[in-house]
Amino acid sequence: DTAVSQTPKYLVTQMGNDKSIKCEQNLGHDTMYWYKQDSKKFLKIMFSYNNKELIINETVPNRFSPKSPDKAHLNLHINSLELGDSAVYFCASSQEREAEAFFGQGTRLTVV
Amino acid sequence: AQSVAQPEDQVNVAEGNPLTVKCTYSVSGNPYLFWYVQYPNRGLQFLLKYITGDNLVKGSYGFEAEFNKSQTSFHLKKPSALVSDSALYFCAVRAPRYNTDKLIFGTGTRLQVFP
Repeated sequence: DTAVSQTPKYLVTQMGNDKSIKCEQNLGHDTMYWYKQDSKKFLKIMFSYNNKELIINETVPNRFSPKSPDKAHLNLHINSLELGDSAVYFCASSQEREAEAFFGQGTRLTVV
Repeated sequence: AQSVAQPEDQVNVAEGNPLTVKCTYSVSGNPYLFWYVQYPNRGLQFLLKYITGDNLVKGSYGFEAEFNKSQTSFHLKKPSALVSDSALYFCAVRAPRYNTDKLIFGTGTRLQVFP
């Protein structure tokens, strides 16, 4: 009965590969997000979707492409992985601006 | 531009003593303010929020925070710290005036509670 679940939890891959991270929420929320947490623990928003529509696209390389097949899912696909992409990626969801966001456990991506 | 500042990288406190983790924000209009906690290798857990109304808000695990509009602050407090409170704490702001759902986070403050 996990509210926001991400898979995989750990991902180790070589430079140049393409990988995807999946996220699902069972809270019925309309808005989903992807955040990146770097090695210094800084959290920065990457994307936000509301009812499958892209709302926020921060300055993120084109190699990152979110896809929302339905409002309960927001996947993150990364092409041509680089060393600097190594980080923890968090998926989150919320219902309204007044409401708190619920976060997944994170996906630790390591590019070697 | 919207921003959140957490001026202390780390706060050390003895168990049983009161604790304060500081947060100031810069946003136009009335902000929505949040505190989250992150334990090692875990996601962020919501602690409390201020949307409107009473400036003192109470949250999970005995934490509370006071919204101070004149000082643009939203400091997190707890009257008596526990060793289990040791974690990374994030303040966050959302600015509804900008018609965005974006949550902007501070840089985090590591709380260390010593027995």
